[in-house]
Parts: sequence; C-alpha cells; structure tokens
Amino acid sequence: KNEVEQSPQNLTAQEGEFITINCSYSVGISALHWLQQHPGGGIVSLFMLSSGKKKHGRLIATINIQEKHSSLHITASHPRDSAVYICAVGLLEGGADGLTFGKGTHLIIQP
Amino acid sequence: AAGVIQSPRHLIKEKRETATLKCYPIPRHDTVYWYQQGPGQDPQFLISFYEKMQSDKGSIPDRFSAQQFSDYHSELNMSSLELGDSALYFCASSEGTSGGFYNEQFFGPGTRLTVL
Repeated sequence: KNEVEQSPQNLTAQEGEFITINCSYSVGISALHWLQQHPGGGIVSLFMLSSGKKKHGRLIATINIQEKHSSLHITASHPRDSAVYICAVGLLEGGADGLTFGKGTHLIIQP
Repeated sequence: AAGVIQSPRHLIKEKRETATLKCYPIPRHDTVYWYQQGPGQDPQFLISFYEKMQSDKGSIPDRFSAQQFSDYHSELNMSSLELGDSALYFCASSEGTSGGFYNEQFFGPGTRLTVL
C-alpha cells in the first residue's frame, strides 16, 4: 500500500469550476507539500503545510493532521491550471530526508 | 527571485557511458536533494546533502555517486549507464538543518537523461 494516496487520479472539468484534489497518508509526517508539474516536467512547489490552511491566489490548501488528510482547492479554474498536482510528504519516522510522493492527479480544465 | 538551476537540461548518452548532472541551489540554501522520475512514475528520492555532507540516502544505485561542493552546488555522477536510467532527474534545495524535510523544498527544472 502506498504511503501517500491521491484522488482522483484524473479529473476533467470546465473552466470556472471549483476543483478539489485529495491526499491521504498513512504515516506520521513532518510536513506535506503540494506540487504542480506541467507537461515537459518542471515541478513547482505550491504549498508546504504542517497544520491548518494556506491560501495563495486561487489556490487553497488544507490539512487535518488527526485524520491524515489534505486537500488542494482551485477556485475559478482556468485552462492554464491544467497540470499534474502531486502531494508529497516528509516522513517523521524512518523516513529519508527526501519527500515521498503520491501518484499525482492529472487535471484538465477545458475552456 | 533566483531559482534552482540544473544543467544540462537534456542529455543523451549511450549504454555504459557516464554522465554528470549539476545542480545549483537557491542562494543561501544549504541542503540539496536529488530525485529520479522514470517515465510515468512518481519521483523517487535518491540522495541529499546538507552543508557539503551526505545527509541521507534513498534508492540511489551503487553506480551513482554525488557530492556537494563548497559553493553548495551539487553534482550527480552516473556511471555504466543502463537503459533503465532514462528519466527526469530533479534537484531540489532548501534551507535548514540535516533532516530538512520540514523545510520547503524548491525544485529545479530537471535534467532529462536519455540512454540509448
């Protein structure tokens, strides 16, 4: 079983829709990252969370440590938001320095 | 703002050749991480350095080695390349102590290595 599970794997929506991507993890973590990867590969760090909620522009990320769950929300979605969104965690115990990644959510926003 | 720089961006090598990938962290970042992302795969942690010392090791093959230099840039050396080494290699940097996974990691654009 993967330590980091994301859902949905694929999501297609219309421009303007409110988007939610979920991430669940099964181990203790020090922090959770939401990353964005565009075709061609480059990874952009969107948020790092260890508690609560963060907002940046149209993006909102929340985390519930007790429930081991995080969500990434996109308001007023736009075709340029189309990308792979990846949840990655830093493990607390027995984990390497590096992040452990989820499989990603492929998001397509249609005009 | 300055970002993480990786070079080269693309590299094509033959089997059994060697390759060197370079990573220049964000200024004042003292921690560097290397990740490998195979086709259709999620990134896998290879190795990290903090203050020029190896900090932690992930799934890095014995054929690969890496180091961090006095200016904090890092190089990933890959020898006896195999077809399966074809992947996107990301470097990330952060500031903080060893075990700096709790500090935000900023990713470079990646080096796409193709082994023929």
